[in-house]
Amino acid sequence: QKEVEQNSGPLSVPEGAIASLNCTYSDRGSQSFFWYRQYSGKSPELIMFIYSNGDKEDGRFTAQLNKASQYVSLLIRDSQPSDSATYLCAVNIGGGSEKLVFGKGTKLTVNP
Amino acid sequence: GAVVSQHPSWVICKSGTSVKIECRSLDFQATTMFWYRQFPKQSLMLMATSNEGSKATYEQGVEKDKFLINHASLTLSTLTVTSAHPEDSSFYICSARRSNEKLFFGSGTQLSVL
Repeated sequence: QKEVEQNSGPLSVPEGAIASLNCTYSDRGSQSFFWYRQYSGKSPELIMFIYSNGDKEDGRFTAQLNKASQYVSLLIRDSQPSDSATYLCAVNIGGGSEKLVFGKGTKLTVNP
Repeated sequence: GAVVSQHPSWVICKSGTSVKIECRSLDFQATTMFWYRQFPKQSLMLMATSNEGSKATYEQGVEKDKFLINHASLTLSTLTVTSAHPEDSSFYICSARRSNEKLFFGSGTQLSVL
């Protein structure tokens, strides 16, 4: 069973702080890693994707991937109340499959 | 704007009835669409992969006779929950990939079975 694990939280940070979200995965063959944001009652929306080891930055968001440790994280700088949502880590299962396995998500609350 | 349209957004039905959910790719052809289910405070669980012109591929534990998938055209996949029961109440979400781009999700369908 290929798994994606996330700390369910809730994670609470003050406005302007850095929020750090973590994710581990079990399938060493996974090549693609995604972070989605999901507001309550809504569908997920893609925030970041990363394929290579290291950091990838996009605005206030930075994704970090360490394939050796099977670990992927998302940093949100200058957190805003509008960032309050559940963040889902998703990993494609190996072998070139298009299928994504999702973690249970981490609920983030940014306090004004 | 949305590139994957899902309808209806919510549905309430009586136990034993069937419910059809539509998923359309709006400006691209999707040979493959995915159907997910999400229970409250749980993650998205892939139910099946819908393939245009062929049978859907179901994930382990998903009853293919209960969750009927039809992908008759390159822009439309439907999921029919047959003889729905309260335990089928969930948030159902479809997704499709445009060319080699990211996966786009539909807006989801909240199903409540009374």
